[in-house]
Amino acid sequence: NAGVMQNPRHLVRRRGQEARLRCSPMKGHSHVYWYRQLPEEGLKFMVYLQKENIIDESGMPKERFSAEFPKEGPSILRIQQVVRGDSAAYFCASSPPGDRYGYTFGSGTRLTVV
Amino acid sequence: QQQVKQSPQSLIVQKGGISIINCAYENTAFDYFPWYQQFPGKGPALLIAIRPDVSEKKEGRFTISFNKSAKQFSLHIMDSQPGDSATYFCAASMTGANNLFFGTGTRLTVIP
Repeated sequence: NAGVMQNPRHLVRRRGQEARLRCSPMKGHSHVYWYRQLPEEGLKFMVYLQKENIIDESGMPKERFSAEFPKEGPSILRIQQVVRGDSAAYFCASSPPGDRYGYTFGSGTRLTVV
Repeated sequence: QQQVKQSPQSLIVQKGGISIINCAYENTAFDYFPWYQQFPGKGPALLIAIRPDVSEKKEGRFTISFNKSAKQFSLHIMDSQPGDSATYFCAASMTGANNLFFGTGTRLTVIP
């Protein structure tokens, strides 16, 4: 079992560009969660998705951020027109259906906006 | 608003000593309290977790103590080892919630 796979591991974007972060959940997991970790801070929830559905996006900034989890392929977190304040580590976690205790995190994508 | 408050921010312990990290919460609806361990460049990994119907849970050298009336819980690492050097996060969740609320983390350094 390969675990939760995130790519790229590191991503550098210039201000105004788009960032696309990908997450493949563990085999058998159909729930995906995205968290953001700012330097010296804990993880903050962004969005929770199931296949083809956004279940809870209460932690997502209202503008420039979007997420999807298509029927086929990985979940994508998309940040449009990135700004310096978007620089952070973005972690994806997955869990099996009905098991909120079965959280497994990926190794994250470190986004740097220059 | 920080739902879970964690202290200390950093901790240095001698090898063989006891490491203690504390967390406090306000929301009495929380019913699941996990601790995560994170090494540099890696994602958080579940270390141990407790529910409020017990006051203590032990797994190897790691123990969670839970005080429901005080709304506090703590992680004790016995016989701390250099390999335990990492950042530790407490978290909390509630039934029906879709997410975990994390503390701000404690950077533990165990010196030989």
